[in-house]
Amino acid sequence: SQKIEQNSEALNIQEGKTATLTCNYTNYSPAYLQWYRQDPGRGPVFLLLIRENEKEKRKERLKVTFDTTLKQSLFHITASQPADSATYLCALDTGRRALTFGSGTRLQVQP
Amino acid sequence: DGGITQSPKYLFRKEGQNVTLSCEQNLNHDAMYWYRQDPGQGLRLIYYSQIVNDFQKGDIAEGYSVSREKKESFPLTVTSAQKNPTAFYLCASSTMDDRGRKGQYFGPGTRLTVT
Repeated sequence: SQKIEQNSEALNIQEGKTATLTCNYTNYSPAYLQWYRQDPGRGPVFLLLIRENEKEKRKERLKVTFDTTLKQSLFHITASQPADSATYLCALDTGRRALTFGSGTRLQVQP
Repeated sequence: DGGITQSPKYLFRKEGQNVTLSCEQNLNHDAMYWYRQDPGQGLRLIYYSQIVNDFQKGDIAEGYSVSREKKESFPLTVTSAQKNPTAFYLCASSTMDDRGRKGQYFGPGTRLTVT
């Protein structure tokens, strides 16, 4: 069966460190993979998109990698700040219809 | 300001009543989506529409209905047939650029409580 897995346990890190979140999937062949940020009680906000033929994408302190062989994407936030605390969702786009979302990983950055 | 609006933010209904959630966008996006989010879970697709007067069922369409009479509007009706309607409902829209898909823009959500 198709599955998207994100670590359900919260990730706690110290301010200034690099946060690394994982998104694994099975039985999908995504053309694109997207990452979103969601704050409590609010709608997700689009952060980054990476295509299947791209290995890495950067935007300011954010970096996403996409390994279609491992079926995995890693999302990195460098020099993390307490304001980065939120839930981060990955979403797969197979090009057929709408996105399929993972359940998200909550990140807590301690000052 | 361009964006997506959902109203109301909080909605309370008695069991057995139908309720309609509003979603409006002024981004000129062709595609619109409805998702449901339950505590600690990801977003599940209810319905989506890629063009006016056309829409498709998502993974959990039972007990819901939609219409797409205008490009900017995509209302969702939660019917009395939906067995567990209490949830956080999110509307989104998107378009495509010439290099592929852009991300989806989400509204602020409507929290529906049915008792």
